[in-house]
Amino acid sequence: QSALTQPPSASGSPGQSVTITCTGTSSDFGGYNYVSWYQHHPGKAPKLIIYEVTKRPSGVPDRFSGSKSGNTASLTVSGLQAEDEADYYCSSYAGGTNPFGTGTKVTVL
Amino acid sequence: EVQLVESGGGLVQRGGSLRLSCESSGFTFNIYWMSWVRQAPGKGLEWVANIKQDGSDKYYVDSVKGRFTVSRDNGENSLYLQMNSLRAEDTAEYYCARVAHNHCINGVCYPIVDVWGQGTTVTVSS
Repeated sequence: QSALTQPPSASGSPGQSVTITCTGTSSDFGGYNYVSWYQHHPGKAPKLIIYEVTKRPSGVPDRFSGSKSGNTASLTVSGLQAEDEADYYCSSYAGGTNPFGTGTKVTVL
Repeated sequence: EVQLVESGGGLVQRGGSLRLSCESSGFTFNIYWMSWVRQAPGKGLEWVANIKQDGSDKYYVDSVKGRFTVSRDNGENSLYLQMNSLRAEDTAEYYCARVAHNHCINGVCYPIVDVWGQGTTVTVSS
């Protein structure tokens, strides 16, 4: 059972920004700074795009940024591109039995 | 190139068994925790199991405890998942994953996965 809730969908036009939230109800999440974000194109391997709340692995464009305030983490994709259309999952310790959030499908209009 | 390649998926009847394999290359396998993560059709990602570098510690999601066994062969740079007593709800894409940071609390693990395989499909028919 995931203890991290994400909106099911988000969308934006090319060039715009979209922000996805990841909310945990447990105080464990609020005090934990290992929040990751994954991008998943269906049929492909998921990809780590943010770790430790704000850090980007090598090769991930700086259009992707992460933040956290209290019990809510956020992923912002700036300058949306067609290839950003994918499912996005947050992941962290939030007291649930599944470390992954519920997932958000991002659509580029 | 760092790579994980899964194999062993397929169609199996309820109650049957399958053994998934994951062959790694391009990195020092024996210094990493490893995970299995799955995605059921139309659902999100779900952590399944973690195994420590030397195989001495293993963790499982409650729904597979007693039915699935994770193992590894560091000499072969490979990870395995033996799945027994399969149920319809085990139908999923199974991903092999390299763990960059591992945190397990109360028997549940919260890995940061920095390398994923392409997945192998397991279908359990009823």
